[in-house]
Amino acid sequence: DADVTQTPRNRITKTGKRIMLECSQTKGHDRMYWYRQDPGLGLRLIYYSFDVKDINKGEISDGYSVSRQAQAKFSLSLESAIPNQTALYFCATSGLGGAPYNEQFFGPGTRLTVL
Amino acid sequence: AQTVTQSQPEMSVQEAETVTLSCTYDTSESDYYLFWYKQPPSRQMILVIRQEAYKQQNATENRFSVNFQKAAKSFSLKISDSQLGDAAMYFCAYVHSNYQLIWGAGTKLIIKP
Repeated sequence: DADVTQTPRNRITKTGKRIMLECSQTKGHDRMYWYRQDPGLGLRLIYYSFDVKDINKGEISDGYSVSRQAQAKFSLSLESAIPNQTALYFCATSGLGGAPYNEQFFGPGTRLTVL
Repeated sequence: AQTVTQSQPEMSVQEAETVTLSCTYDTSESDYYLFWYKQPPSRQMILVIRQEAYKQQNATENRFSVNFQKAAKSFSLKISDSQLGDAAMYFCAYVHSNYQLIWGAGTKLIIKP
């Protein structure tokens, strides 16, 4: 079974709709991240969480919110989706109390299309 | 602000030959870490190799090695004996003590059989 799972894998929605992307991990990691990938731009950090009570904004948090429901679950919400939020979204985790060089493990990604 | 630049949007190499992917970065930090990640068509992001800035020795992982030039802020990836399975997007990334990875735009590697 995959260590980091994301649901849904693909989603098409309409402008103005609220949508939630979910991430679960079985690696026992405390750190979790949400990234957005756009062609030609690499990955950009939306939000990150070092534990259930510690949530931080990343580079591009506007228009997004997150919830860390448990150590293993980290959800990303788009309160009112807009077309320029069409992108590939990745959840990632990294190890217990580790140094920054700890590898980040990625989920399979969610392709979101906002019409 | 830290930035990571990959100047080659696309590279191609003949199977079994060697290819080098370029990455430069900008930072005022002295202690940081650099990574190369691979993204095949499956979309999965996979760590290829990492380098700690305080280590002068270049990291190697089987057919993958880096040329880390700290003064020049350069971190290139060399793939030896290229294989068809190496075809992917390759991303260079940087992180320091704030744990936030900064990513380059990626290089698409094409392997010619």
